[in-house]
Amino acid sequence: QQPVQSPQAVILREGEDAVINCSSSKALYSVHWYRQKHGEAPVFLMILLKGGEQKGHEKISASFNEKKQQSSLYLTASQLSYSGTYFCGTVAAGGTSYGKLTFGQGTILTVHP
Amino acid sequence: DGGITQSPKYLFRKEGQNVTLSCEQNLNHDAMYWYRQDPGQGLRLIYYSQIVNDFQKGDIAEGYSVSREKKESFPLTVTSAQKNPTAFYLCASTRWGTSSNQPQHFGDGTRLSIL
Repeated sequence: QQPVQSPQAVILREGEDAVINCSSSKALYSVHWYRQKHGEAPVFLMILLKGGEQKGHEKISASFNEKKQQSSLYLTASQLSYSGTYFCGTVAAGGTSYGKLTFGQGTILTVHP
Repeated sequence: DGGITQSPKYLFRKEGQNVTLSCEQNLNHDAMYWYRQDPGQGLRLIYYSQIVNDFQKGDIAEGYSVSREKKESFPLTVTSAQKNPTAFYLCASTRWGTSSNQPQHFGDGTRLSIL
């Protein structure tokens, strides 16, 4: 089951903040966040594991609420370079040892000067 | 520098033709993955391989085939049975055979179109 991201798109001025949410209907082991520029490969931002919160990239941080099966990505004091499509990927708790990553549909973030 | 190389960058397929997308990595990673991305959508898993000479179907394997004869290489063949192959194809790898707690490293992708 694909996680659901919201909002679908965000438009910001440089310096403004944004929050992107990712929700799953399944119990989760981990949540991954990636950013993709148009026509390029996704770039890894961070992983949040069950029981922890990891801040991994510049002014971008994230939280993981295991009980609600939700994660939020926080972008503070946005820069032009933050523009792109943000994807969350979720790994369900339990199941096989493989740990398949299932991606959300993406949130398009546009930062204007 | 280590990384994943996908080729070609652009590929055109004629009706009824099979085409093969190349993916090579020099990261010494055990696991490799193929994803398909359609406009405005997320990535969907086609096939994955956790170890050489072994691979598993993902969510949308129909019309595709793979091989994993070498650790460094994981080519994807889009067969004529795939009726809607136009998409952006991404290859990825992880150090070990699970995505649970490690990042996926992606190649730059191949854009496949129908002639």
